[in-house]
Amino acid sequence: AQSVTQLGSHVSVSEGALVLLRCNYSSSVPPYLFWYVQYPNQGLQLLLKYTTGATLVKGINGFEAEFKKSETSFHLTKPSAHMSDAAEYFCVVTIQGGKLIFGQGTELSVKP
Amino acid sequence: DAGVIQSPRHEVTEMGQEVTLRCKPISGHDYLFWYRQTMMRGLELLIYFNNNVPIDDSGMPEDRFSAKMPNASFSTLKIQPSEPRDSAVYFCASSRDRLNTEAFFGQGTRLTVV
Repeated sequence: AQSVTQLGSHVSVSEGALVLLRCNYSSSVPPYLFWYVQYPNQGLQLLLKYTTGATLVKGINGFEAEFKKSETSFHLTKPSAHMSDAAEYFCVVTIQGGKLIFGQGTELSVKP
Repeated sequence: DAGVIQSPRHEVTEMGQEVTLRCKPISGHDYLFWYRQTMMRGLELLIYFNNNVPIDDSGMPEDRFSAKMPNASFSTLKIQPSEPRDSAVYFCASSRDRLNTEAFFGQGTRLTVV
């Protein structure tokens, strides 16, 4: 079975600071990994995804994530936080033929 | 395309009443998913359809919940009778397939059962 754990239900950073949202997964077969973002009162929107190939994946709004098989991690980063990045972020894992498994989410706050 | 369209955006109903949530997926998407989001349980997959056929409804909490997809452009999620613990945000999403392609979410229906 697959599972995903997001470390920290709430992360707060200052505007301009590095954003690091942690995600670890468990899967017995090669996983597909996604990060979704949910802005207040909105649906979820795909930020980026890893399926195969290059392990460093770039997404929208300056976010990127690196698939590290040895660490079973897929942490999301952004070099410089912007106020508009304040939202909830979900790490998602799935496998061939499987369902999307969502993490519990990390709420990102950005202080001016 | 206008994206996944859900209606209503907000619904307040009394306990015991029937509630119907509606979803129009993106044209050409073969998969449709219904999710429920609560503070306590996060995002849960309730049911999903492939080509209008229900594939996995193991996430449907009780017999009070039912979902249909009569055609490729319309799906409903019905709760009858509704209970206060059903209060949540219900999302519909669609995708071309389950994996490599993106799942597009609607804006959700916020259901409050009083």
